[in-house]
Amino acid sequence: DAMVIQNPRYQVTQFGKPVTLSCSQTLNHNVMYWYQQKSSQAPKLLFHYYDKDFNNEADTPDNFQSRRPNTSFCFLDIRSPGLGDAAMYLCATSRDAREETQYFGPGTRLLVL
Amino acid sequence: AQKVTQAQTEISVVEKEDVTLDCVYETRDTTYYLFWYKQPPSGELVFLIRRNSFDEQNEISGRYSWNFQKSTSSFNFTITASQVVDSAVYFCALSYMEYGNKLVFGAGTILRVKS
Repeated sequence: DAMVIQNPRYQVTQFGKPVTLSCSQTLNHNVMYWYQQKSSQAPKLLFHYYDKDFNNEADTPDNFQSRRPNTSFCFLDIRSPGLGDAAMYLCATSRDAREETQYFGPGTRLLVL
Repeated sequence: AQKVTQAQTEISVVEKEDVTLDCVYETRDTTYYLFWYKQPPSGELVFLIRRNSFDEQNEISGRYSWNFQKSTSSFNFTITASQVVDSAVYFCALSYMEYGNKLVFGAGTILRVKS
């Protein structure tokens, strides 16, 4: 089945130690998104790629970076995780940049020790 | 600016009861889409429905139904004969275009269905 895959499902890292979360998709969608969701809150958009064009939200901390080496994969890099970065990170895709439905992966739950 | 309000923080019902989740939105756009997503304890956001601003027809899918009323800027979601498996957080979302397609989410409603 076509889907959005996130690995790992759970990630434990140490304070200040760089960590990378990965997302892949078999939907062949042009747009990929990264969201941060803290406990009991709504998902918050960090950035998105339309094909290779990167769009950063104004309030996304510089500590968060992203890479999209090809259509299928997108990575979220947290350069120096702080305790406040512990959250669920959700990847989503949509077919194109018009108002299309976003389909979400299962998420990666990040714990920072 | 776009905004979605889900006034019900948490709802508890007993199995087989009907339950309605409210969603009110604000937008100045004439063309927009509304969505409902379900987030079970596992964490994945599951797409339930999309409705565009020109289509005010109500929709029914099994035990789920949606009532879209532009006049009151509401897009409410009803689960008929609720089941324990319906327990989840439900998010209403509104799309808008800003450097691409984005979603603004409501705060979510926690639905607890007790057996």
